[in-house]
Amino acid sequence: KQEVTQIPAALSVPEGENLVLNCSFTDSAIYNLQWFRQDPGKGLTSLLLIQSSQREQTSGRLNASLDKSSGRSTLYIAASQPGDSATYLCASKAAGNKLTFGGGTRVLVKP
Amino acid sequence: EAQVTQNPRYLITVTGKKLTVTCSQNMNHEYMSWYRQDPGLGLRQIYYSMNVEVTDKGDVPEGYKVSRKEKRNFPLILESPSPNQTSLYFCASSRPGLDYGYTFGSGTRLTVV
Repeated sequence: KQEVTQIPAALSVPEGENLVLNCSFTDSAIYNLQWFRQDPGKGLTSLLLIQSSQREQTSGRLNASLDKSSGRSTLYIAASQPGDSATYLCASKAAGNKLTFGGGTRVLVKP
Repeated sequence: EAQVTQNPRYLITVTGKKLTVTCSQNMNHEYMSWYRQDPGLGLRQIYYSMNVEVTDKGDVPEGYKVSRKEKRNFPLILESPSPNQTSLYFCASSRPGLDYGYTFGSGTRLTVV
């Protein structure tokens, strides 16, 4: 059974610092890995999707890497802003379209 | 705009009063799923559907029903809601396979008193 872990559970950084968010998974037989952002009490917004054959994906200040052999994905957010404060979730999609979520990392960017 | 639409966004109800949360997607996705999100427990899958008339249990199906009569709609039914079903619910859709991620609805905050 796939297990997805995000450490740390919470992170606080000063504005302008780069953010590094970690996601690890136990079963490397994934279709893809997706990063989401969630504001308190709100829905999940998809940030980046990395297919299993890809090593990374970029969108603006966001860059996500995937290393299937080590069971890790990392989301980098460059030059963080207070508006980046949110919870970030990673999720792996595998056979049967099953989506398994990590517990999330709650990020606070201080002005 | 490609989206998953859930209704209602907020609902307060009493124990035992049947309710339905609707979910509709306009992307012609085959796969749809329901999740609940609770503090400390994360997102857990309730039910999913691979296509019309094909549904199956997820990790926490007790107390819920679903149906998939049309490709675009996937309602979640609580026949006799109880306080332990107070939660934030999300509907999601996707195409099967490696290339496709999930699109989530905005969520339904359900409170059962």
